[in-house]
Amino acid sequence: DADVTQTPRNRITKTGKRIMLECSQTKGHDRMYWYRQDPGLGLRLIYYSFDVKDINKGEISDGYSVSRQAQAKFSLSLESAIPNQTALYFCATSDYNQETQYFGPGTRLLVL
Amino acid sequence: GQNIDQPTEMTATEGAIVQINCTYQTSGFNGLFWYQQHAGEAPTFLSYNVLDGLEEKGRFSSFLSRSKGYSYLLLKELQMKDSASYLCAVRPPYNTDKLIFGTGTRLQVFP
Repeated sequence: DADVTQTPRNRITKTGKRIMLECSQTKGHDRMYWYRQDPGLGLRLIYYSFDVKDINKGEISDGYSVSRQAQAKFSLSLESAIPNQTALYFCATSDYNQETQYFGPGTRLLVL
Repeated sequence: GQNIDQPTEMTATEGAIVQINCTYQTSGFNGLFWYQQHAGEAPTFLSYNVLDGLEEKGRFSSFLSRSKGYSYLLLKELQMKDSASYLCAVRPPYNTDKLIFGTGTRLQVFP
């Protein structure tokens, strides 16, 4: 079984709709991250969380919100989706010595 | 701020050696990472350098020069499966929980 899972894997939605992307991990890591990836722009950090009571904005948090429901779960919400939020979204985890981050398989989101 | 530069695309032949460069301009530094990402898949960790010098892991090696703000990833005995994007990422010192990614280098290996 995969250590970091994301649901859904693909999603098509319409402008103005609310959508939630979910991430779960079985690695026992405290730290979790949400990134988006766009062609030519690389991976950009949206939000990150050190533990259940800690949430931090990344470089592109506008238009997004997150919830850390448990150590193993970190959800990303788009309250009112817009077309320029069309992207590939990755969740990642790391442990406290942070030598690497482990990425989920990604969610491909299309906003029409 | 952070600025990370790497070539957009490279091509190479199966069995050859290729070097992918990464330069960074930062106000501080706390480690450099290389990730491999096949099209449509998750990035996977390849290497981590925090001190100057060469780190070798099988066919892949990564080099770091902190004074020059420079790193490279060296891939030897290229295989078709090495066709992927290679992402350079820097960890800044002021917040050791973030990684700043470059835009990636797309490598195509031809027979």
